[in-house]
Amino acid sequence: DIQMTQSPPSLAASVGDRVTISCRASQSINSAYLNWYQHKPGKAPNLLIYAASSLHSGVPKRFSGSGSGTDFTLTISSLQPEDFASYYCQQSSSPPFTFGPGTRVEI
Amino acid sequence: QVQVVESGGGVVQPGGSLRLSCGASGFTFGTYAMHWVRQAPGKGLEWLAVILFDASNEHYAESVQGRFTVSRDNSNNTVYLQMKNLGAEDTAVYFCARDHSPWGTARLDYWGQGTLVTVSS
Repeated sequence: DIQMTQSPPSLAASVGDRVTISCRASQSINSAYLNWYQHKPGKAPNLLIYAASSLHSGVPKRFSGSGSGTDFTLTISSLQPEDFASYYCQQSSSPPFTFGPGTRVEI
Repeated sequence: QVQVVESGGGVVQPGGSLRLSCGASGFTFGTYAMHWVRQAPGKGLEWLAVILFDASNEHYAESVQGRFTVSRDNSNNTVYLQMKNLGAEDTAVYFCARDHSPWGTARLDYWGQGTLVTVSS
């Protein structure tokens, strides 16, 4: 099974900050199979980025993704109040389709 | 618009069984794979299972393999998660999510708001 790790587990930031979240896979995966999700408490998770760098429909352009092989990054260029949430990477290369442990972005 | 709505959660005793349902609308249900994901209290998202568009194949996380079964009824736009031999570690909010493709590529583009399952005596 492919294991996913993320860093940092949590971070504190301010509105307007640039935020970077890292995700590492236990083995190399095709970048076509790396997704990022945003999740707020009590809400449905939202797909942000698929195929490592493609923005899902309706997602603001301040979100971007990059990476290849085992190392991937989610960047929020200018943090907005509605971006305070938890963020998860997920590999969709092969089942089980594991999520990373999450990164909580706090004020 | 696309909607998926989970139901069937509740309190169940250890060792008990429960069946969750997920009703879908706003898209051609029978042409998409469907997934179940859960989040235990204070924990992250855990992928559980996928069923292909035509129910021809399923995959499970090791943590639920042999205890949980995913099924679907394309005539009623519903996917199910049958859970048995439940333990405290299964206490979680359970989410249903649509795959963007029929083949279970696990790009989960629409999610429900979840249903809470509590395993407790």
